[in-house]
Amino acid sequence: DAKTTQPNSMESNEEEPVHLPCNHSTISGTDYIHWYRQLPSQGPEYVIHGLTSNVNNRMASLAIAEDRKSSTLILHRATLRDAAVYYCILGLDGKLTFGQGTILTVHP
Amino acid sequence: GAGVSQSPSNKVTEKGKDVELRCDPISGHTALYWYRQSLGQGLEFLIYFQGNSAPDKSGLPSDRFSAERTGGSVSTLTIQRTQQEDSAVYLCASSPRDRGYYEQYFGPGTRLTVT
Repeated sequence: DAKTTQPNSMESNEEEPVHLPCNHSTISGTDYIHWYRQLPSQGPEYVIHGLTSNVNNRMASLAIAEDRKSSTLILHRATLRDAAVYYCILGLDGKLTFGQGTILTVHP
Repeated sequence: GAGVSQSPSNKVTEKGKDVELRCDPISGHTALYWYRQSLGQGLEFLIYFQGNSAPDKSGLPSDRFSAERTGGSVSTLTIQRTQQEDSAVYLCASSPRDRGYYEQYFGPGTRLTVT
């Protein structure tokens, strides 16, 4: 399976944008890029996914590099409720495998 | 609307006992997944259902683990002769379409502790 690399942790201030990077240099042409997040003591929550083009939804934006070897999840205005572990996952078949993810801390 | 529900929320059992974990997916979702998450670890895929059939059981760690789904809805994960290494949070997710292209909605999980 193609592997992703994310920073262990990031910090942000409330109301500021957050850019969460993910490297996936061994991505295959058919792998979707998925982002999920997990708040403490809760199940994971879908954030966004994409294949080649940048994607926007009500939660976030996903910027995908032209060579697809990296992507960035963008939270436009961080809130305290966005503090969570963010997971970047590759896959075609929906069989999600989470690594360690990025712990996002949001300061008031 | 109602999300994915799981029961029980917590289960403490003695080593060697059997346990059953239940998942109620979102109504109409045809795909259902079981995962487990051990303390400080990432998410581990266990099994995938499309309707009542399980085309992918590749993540089940041993033959002590089994799962079924009936009526294209409720699913039960059974662990026989539990071991301490089975202690984890067991998560269920459902998806409205065949896997890969639509988001998965997760339940709150069942925390299993084997003593």
